[in-house]
Amino acid sequence: DAEITQSPRHKITETGRQVTLACHQTWNHNNMFWYRQDLGHGLRLIHYSYGVQDTNKGEVSDGYSVSRSNTEDLPLTLESAASSQTSVYFCASSELAGTNTGELFFGEGSRLTVL
Amino acid sequence: AQRVTQPEKLLSVFKGAPVELKCNYSYSGSPELFWYVQYSRQRLQLLLRHISRESIKGFTADLNKGETSFHLKKPFAQEEDSAMYYCAPHNDYKLSFGAGTTVTVRA
Repeated sequence: DAEITQSPRHKITETGRQVTLACHQTWNHNNMFWYRQDLGHGLRLIHYSYGVQDTNKGEVSDGYSVSRSNTEDLPLTLESAASSQTSVYFCASSELAGTNTGELFFGEGSRLTVL
Repeated sequence: AQRVTQPEKLLSVFKGAPVELKCNYSYSGSPELFWYVQYSRQRLQLLLRHISRESIKGFTADLNKGETSFHLKKPFAQEEDSAMYYCAPHNDYKLSFGAGTTVTVRA
């Protein structure tokens, strides 16, 4: 069955370290997204991609970067982790076009703690 | 600025009572609107979309363009409806999410 997986599911790191969260999907979707979930803020879009070599900034992109070298993967990198980046991170994917583009398929989330 | 507002952070109802989750949006153009749900220890998933006009798990949502609202309703809440609900306008192939409403249905 097609799915979307994130790793690691839990990570504790220190301020200033570089962290990469992996996202891998087997839906063959062109669209991929990274969100962070925080109490009181809901889900906020960090970065997104509409296809290989395409990346775009979302509403809270500062301190984060992504790269899209193939269809299946969109790793999220925190260049220098800050305590404000302690959050639960969700990866999602969707179809490129058509009537179902609004349906996102989500990973299980990665809980990151920055000490 | 584009914005989606869910005014209630928490909503507690008794089993069998009606439940309504409010969502107001401020968007240019005519976005599609969705409700997503996250049950405990499960992934976020699509509940319903306005364009399909379906009733899913007893929930319905009416798009009111005049009031720019997309409230989610269920006439008789069940304990299994306890979850976090997000309203999400869809524009340019991406979704923006409201802050979410946590619903607790008590026996």
